[in-house]
Amino acid sequence: SQQGEEDPQALSIQEGENATMNCSYKTSINNLQWYRQNSGRGLVHLILIRSNEREKHSGRLRVTLDTSKKSSSLLITASRAADTASYFCATFSITSGTYKYIFGTGTRLKVLA
Amino acid sequence: SQTIHQWPATLVQPVGSPLSLECTVEGTSNPNLYWYRQAAGRGLQLLFYSVGIGQISSEVPQNLSASRPQDRQFILSSKKLLLSDSGFYLCAFTGVDNSPLHFGNGTRLTVT
Repeated sequence: SQQGEEDPQALSIQEGENATMNCSYKTSINNLQWYRQNSGRGLVHLILIRSNEREKHSGRLRVTLDTSKKSSSLLITASRAADTASYFCATFSITSGTYKYIFGTGTRLKVLA
Repeated sequence: SQTIHQWPATLVQPVGSPLSLECTVEGTSNPNLYWYRQAAGRGLQLLFYSVGIGQISSEVPQNLSASRPQDRQFILSSKKLLLSDSGFYLCAFTGVDNSPLHFGNGTRLTVT
């Protein structure tokens, strides 16, 4: 399977704490993206990091990418109850003219108020 | 602005019945379109993607098929549903610059 792996599968933290999620993938990529999914809904894009970038910030989000290890991490700082959701990484690659987004297995984050 | 509509939101169908899920995009031309399936508590499995009218690529052999009869319309079909077809089906698109995916709200399919 081309699907990436994320860990932990589930994470429970107190409001105000930081949450870190990790993603590993298998193929060469053009960029890596993180998405959020509230229960029973579609996914919403959070942040994109290109293969030539090592770190990116957006508000309370910080993403790192290590292409040599084929891994990425998402850090959510000062978490809030509203951050409770599932988080997925997705790799984007262009192979033989086709564009593919391959998703990881996701991390279920629960932030306790 | 770019929007995506997917329907129905929920569907309960008996085994052996046909299926048609529809997805339409507004606000962009020639989008790349995708169908994903998500099993309960799991990640997304890419089923089909399309880069143009009538152009469909299948990622996994399935009891399903996809069609793109118009530029901004993507349809997921089955002639005879199986119990294993139950799941959460998500349609998504990207613009011509292959920006991040924009997802519909999904269809929860239960095959009984």
